[in-house]
Amino acid sequence: DADVTQTPRNRITKTGKRIMLECSQTKGHDRMYWYRQDPGLGLRLIYYSFDVKDINKGEISDGYSVSRQAQAKFSLSLESAIPNQTALYFCATSDLASVGETQYFGPGTRLLVL
Amino acid sequence: GEDVEQSLFLSVREGDSSVINCTYTDSSSTYLYWYKQEPGAGLQLLTYIFSNMDMKQDQRLTVLLNKKDKHLSLRIADTQTGDSAIYFCAESIGGNKLVFGAGTILRVKS
Repeated sequence: DADVTQTPRNRITKTGKRIMLECSQTKGHDRMYWYRQDPGLGLRLIYYSFDVKDINKGEISDGYSVSRQAQAKFSLSLESAIPNQTALYFCATSDLASVGETQYFGPGTRLLVL
Repeated sequence: GEDVEQSLFLSVREGDSSVINCTYTDSSSTYLYWYKQEPGAGLQLLTYIFSNMDMKQDQRLTVLLNKKDKHLSLRIADTQTGDSAIYFCAESIGGNKLVFGAGTILRVKS
């Protein structure tokens, strides 16, 4: 079984709709992250959480919110989706004890906003 | 601010060596990373190097770090068609946060 899972894997929605992307991990890591990937721009950090009570904005948090429901779960919400939020979204986890402080990525969620 | 830059595209013949270059700006980065993304997949960690090292070798992969010039490179020896992917350079900027480059598309011609 994959250590970091994301649901859904693909989603099409309409402008103005609320949508939630979910991430679960079985690695026992404290730290979780949400990134978006756009062609030619690499990955950009949206939000990150160092433990259940900790939420921090990343580089591009406007239009997004997150919830850390438990150590293993970190969800990303788009309150009112807009077309320029069409992208590939990745969840990642890490732990200070990880070798090289490595981040481990989920398979991604492809989101299309019409 | 932090910035990581990479060339966008590299094409090599099967069996040749590939060298992917990256420059970064944060001199306090503790670790620098290379991730690989195959089509339709997430990012897979290839290798990382601690900032006090100059070189790290792992089978076909060689990472060179020039801290003075803030330059990182990934050399893939005997490149195979299965190495075709997007390669991302990333630097850590404290607290496990990563800044990624835009990615280099490696195309391996048979």
